Amino acid sequence: KAGVTQTPRYLIKTRGQQVTLSCSPISGHRSVSWYQQTPGQGLQFLFEYFSETQRNKGNFPGRFSGRQFSNSRSEMNVSTLELGDSALYLCASSGGQGAFDEQYFGPGTRLTVT
Amino acid sequence: DAKTTQPTSMDCAEGRAANLPCNHSTISGNEYVYWYRQIHSQGPQYIIHGLKNNETNEMASLIITEDRKSSTLILPHATLRDTAVYYCIVRVGDTDKLIFGTGTRLQVFP
Repeated sequence: KAGVTQTPRYLIKTRGQQVTLSCSPISGHRSVSWYQQTPGQGLQFLFEYFSETQRNKGNFPGRFSGRQFSNSRSEMNVSTLELGDSALYLCASSGGQGAFDEQYFGPGTRLTVT
Repeated sequence: DAKTTQPTSMDCAEGRAANLPCNHSTISGNEYVYWYRQIHSQGPQYIIHGLKNNETNEMASLIITEDRKSSTLILPHATLRDTAVYYCIVRVGDTDKLIFGTGTRLQVFP
């Protein structure tokens, strides 16, 4: 069974631009969560989507948004990029049973904002 | 969600057992203990989870104290490839939100 895939793996953007990252979950998984990892703040939860609905949201500004499609694939978008948005963005998928269910992470997309 | 406390770093000789402790003194009765690890710049890898009973899988064993206020992850025969940051996380509810702390940086040496 294929794992979680994320595209692109690396991305360089300029401050003020916007970016869209993609995540394809493990086949059969209905929940996709997104995380941001920086050296200063560590791993922080962005949001979670289950059956195309946002089920939970972290403490990030509205510039960070996401969506999930009917095939469970998910995208996250960051608008008006800032230098501080440079980070490793990780997505994770699960069957959506919450604490009963383990999550599996993708390799991440490394975003650099210049 | 309950907060967890882990040592910042630990060393272990290759071939020996690595015992990684975690304190979660405010854990509630319906909260699970999960362990993940992250090898440099890769996505976190699920290791094991448990509620009350001790658990074992092909990667590790999880020992949870009877009062559930602490747990220990055991890697029975550590290898150099086990060098990573290990995160202990307490989870509850019907969402997939994980709250990561700073974890324990395990260094396995030859």
